[in-house]
Amino acid sequence: QVQLQQWGAGLLKPSETLSLTCAVYGGSFSGYFWSWIRQPPGKGLEWIAKVSQGATSDYNPSLKSRVAMSVDTSKKQFSLTLSSVTAADTAVYYCARVLYNHWYVDVWGKGTTVTVSS
Amino acid sequence: QSALTQPASVSGSPGQSITISCTGTSSDIGTYDLVSWYQYHPGKTPKVLIYGVSKRPSGISSRFSGSSSGNTASLTISGLQAEDEADYYCCSYAGNYVVFGGGTKLTVL
Repeated sequence: QVQLQQWGAGLLKPSETLSLTCAVYGGSFSGYFWSWIRQPPGKGLEWIAKVSQGATSDYNPSLKSRVAMSVDTSKKQFSLTLSSVTAADTAVYYCARVLYNHWYVDVWGKGTTVTVSS
Repeated sequence: QSALTQPASVSGSPGQSITISCTGTSSDIGTYDLVSWYQYHPGKTPKVLIYGVSKRPSGISSRFSGSSSGNTASLTISGLQAEDEADYYCCSYAGNYVVFGGGTKLTVL
């Protein structure tokens, strides 16, 4: 059974950089897209970015200037950085596995609550 | 890009059927048959109910069905049960990125 374990700083100050990492256990790293999705308090889900094993990334156009994803295939890990955070970036951040061709999430991490506050 | 449009809330009694709509544009739902639906109970992680507009993953009840017409996709839940009370999100591929709906809260009366 594939599991995603995620970690990263939960409290940031405005203008700092958010950094999260997700590790894949119990399954293959190849053959899938790997994504980050967030949910601000009281709001809906928002897709942030995805990366393939080959490190080809795509980003939400509204976040593209501040977001980067990377992969470490040897460790079966992928990471998210989001620069210049503001209170609007306060959210639960999920890492997720996305199926090729069908573009849906079949495995989710447990979520990391990130709060941006001065 | 804008979020897909869903009603904020719907409700129904046990045993009834309800339908949740999800309206997008010709850049997402209207072009790609890559619509998925997720059920989200607070405190848990979302669970996919439908993918590819109308396909159900293994283990998902046949009470959940999906369809699409033009720029609008729909999720129908038949034979409502108390445990169906949750938030529901639609999602569509939009050409190298993905857009979610704002979510619909289903209340089982």
